[in-house]
Amino acid sequence: AQSVAQPEDQVNVAEGNPLTVKCTYSVSGNPYLFWYVQYPNRGLQFLLKYITGDNLVKGSYGFEAEFNKSQTSFHLKKPSALVSDSALYFCAVRDLRRGGADGLTFGKGTHLIIQP
Amino acid sequence: GAGVSQSPSNKVTEKGKDVELRCDPISGHTALYWYRQSLGQGLEFLIYFQGNSAPDKSGLPSDRFSAERTGGSVSTLTIQRTQQEDSAVYLCASSSFSDTQYFGPGTRLTVL
Repeated sequence: AQSVAQPEDQVNVAEGNPLTVKCTYSVSGNPYLFWYVQYPNRGLQFLLKYITGDNLVKGSYGFEAEFNKSQTSFHLKKPSALVSDSALYFCAVRDLRRGGADGLTFGKGTHLIIQP
Repeated sequence: GAGVSQSPSNKVTEKGKDVELRCDPISGHTALYWYRQSLGQGLEFLIYFQGNSAPDKSGLPSDRFSAERTGGSVSTLTIQRTQQEDSAVYLCASSSFSDTQYFGPGTRLTVL
């Protein structure tokens, strides 16, 4: 079985400050990790993914995420937050061995609020 | 290019009625997924289609739920005898084989 934990329901950051949204995962095999963002009344937008290779993954809108195998974490980061980054962020995992058959397992989501 | 499209965007129905939700995947994507997003359960995976292969239906929440995919493209999720607990946003995603999933805008279903 696979699972994802996003320990913070909400993260508040002042505009211009760095932000981190936390994610930890559990899979039996090697993980395939994703971050998605959801704006109000919209679907999920893909931000970035990790399969193999460099532990630091760069994605859309200046976001990046760091894969840490020993801590089973995949935290989302951005050096300087914008008010427009305010949204709901989801971390997701899939077990590479299963192909697509299990779909993605999502965390509960973290509300990111950037204060002007 | 065109993304995943879903219709209708909103559906209000009465308890006990049947509903059909449609998903048009990105052209050329062989894999198609249905998810449900609700306040109480978060994002739940429902079903997965790969090409023309028979789907694994074990993730569907009850036997009132069924899905089909015609010609390896468009998919329909059908909920029979809707219940109030079926109220949720139903999201469809598509991908090239086992790659990044791209999501549609969703169908908001309200069962009165």
